[in-house]
Amino acid sequence: AQSVTQPDIHITVSEGASLELRCNYSYGATPYLFWYVQSPGQGLQLLLKYFSGDTLVQGIKGFEAEFKRSQSSFNLRKPSVHWSDAAEYFCAVEGSARQLTFGSGTQLTVLP
Amino acid sequence: DSGVTQTPKHLITATGQRVTLRCSPRSGDLSVYWYQQSLDQGLQFLIHYYNGEERAKGNILERFSAQQFPDLHSELNLSSLELGDSALYFCASSVGRGRDTDTQYFGPGTRLTVL
Repeated sequence: AQSVTQPDIHITVSEGASLELRCNYSYGATPYLFWYVQSPGQGLQLLLKYFSGDTLVQGIKGFEAEFKRSQSSFNLRKPSVHWSDAAEYFCAVEGSARQLTFGSGTQLTVLP
Repeated sequence: DSGVTQTPKHLITATGQRVTLRCSPRSGDLSVYWYQQSLDQGLQFLIHYYNGEERAKGNILERFSAQQFPDLHSELNLSSLELGDSALYFCASSVGRGRDTDTQYFGPGTRLTVL
């Protein structure tokens, strides 16, 4: 069965600083990987997805993620964080039945 | 706005009761997925329907059931409710075709509180 680990429960960065959120996955075949963001009281919004090809994926809101098969990782990055990026971020892997298995999430706090 | 709608937004009920959560997928989407988000279990997949047929089941309790109707909306029925069923229930929809082009879009969720 697939699994996702997000090692950082909570990350705090200053506005304008760079950001990297870690994600490690376990899946037997070529993974379909996703990053979603959840703002308080909101649903999940897709930031980006990886399924094949270029290992560096560009998403919305200036986010990107890099797939590294050798490290089973799919880390999310942003060069300069904005206060509006404060939210909870979830990494997910899609299973063979199209179900998403999510990590436990990383809460991002942005300091002014 | 993802285009997926869920009603009601909030639901407060008592233990032992039964509730129905409703989801309308994005226009053109044939697949509907249900997920539960709770503090202790995180985000968990419950069930997947494609064009009216059940396609996959996850960690869905026997007290829970779902349907997808001919107009493609879906309902999640929760019965004999327990305190531990309090959670945020999300519906997601996707076109339901090839994996390379398919993406799940999530609704705003229904927050269920069982007292």
